Amino acid sequence: GDSVTQMEGPVTLSEEAFLTINCTYTATGYPSLFWYVQYPGEGLQLLLKATKADDKGSNKGFEATYRKETTSFHLEKGSVQVSDSAVYFCALSFNQPRKLIFGAGTRLAVHP
Amino acid sequence: NAGVTQTPKFQVLKTGQSMTLQCAQDMNHEYMSWYRQDPGMGLRLIHYSVGAGITDQGEVPNGYNVSRSTTEDFPLRLLSAAPSQTSVYFCASKTDRVGNEKLFFGSGTQLSVL
Repeated sequence: GDSVTQMEGPVTLSEEAFLTINCTYTATGYPSLFWYVQYPGEGLQLLLKATKADDKGSNKGFEATYRKETTSFHLEKGSVQVSDSAVYFCALSFNQPRKLIFGAGTRLAVHP
Repeated sequence: NAGVTQTPKFQVLKTGQSMTLQCAQDMNHEYMSWYRQDPGMGLRLIHYSVGAGITDQGEVPNGYNVSRSTTEDFPLRLLSAAPSQTSVYFCASKTDRVGNEKLFFGSGTQLSVL
């Protein structure tokens, strides 16, 4: 079935370091891809999305490119801040808008 | 500007007890859903609804009931709680337009079943 695999955390970085969180997916067809972020004590919120191959989603300095050939949607940020500490979830959905399939989440901790 | 409101934030139950988790949204969203979040497993869909009077099962519906009598409210009922239902529960809503997958989440309910 359809699934999302993320790199295990926690990922621990110093402020201003470069961030990559890997995400790969298994799906029949070409889904839309998403990154959601969960800050401590809060619900998830949409960070960025891409709806077709080679699309790049971006928001708040984060970027991810939809790579059909490698079935990947890796999240990157050039210079992380302490305020980026959160859990990041990769997700996919088809044009059946009733279900998102989430990965297990990757916890990011950024230290000053 | 409340968004999605869940109550309670924390709950402890004994095995066999029943309870209802409340969810309300004030954005006039047609679609509402319940997820559970377990360590290492991400979020899994329990039930969802695309409008008042319409509900459907998600990935892990067993042991849970839902109803949707109004657009605003989507309560989740545990009929006879089990330790396997210890989890964090999230309610989420969105408009039900095709191609719109931006879910708005509540802040969660942490449930422990002893």
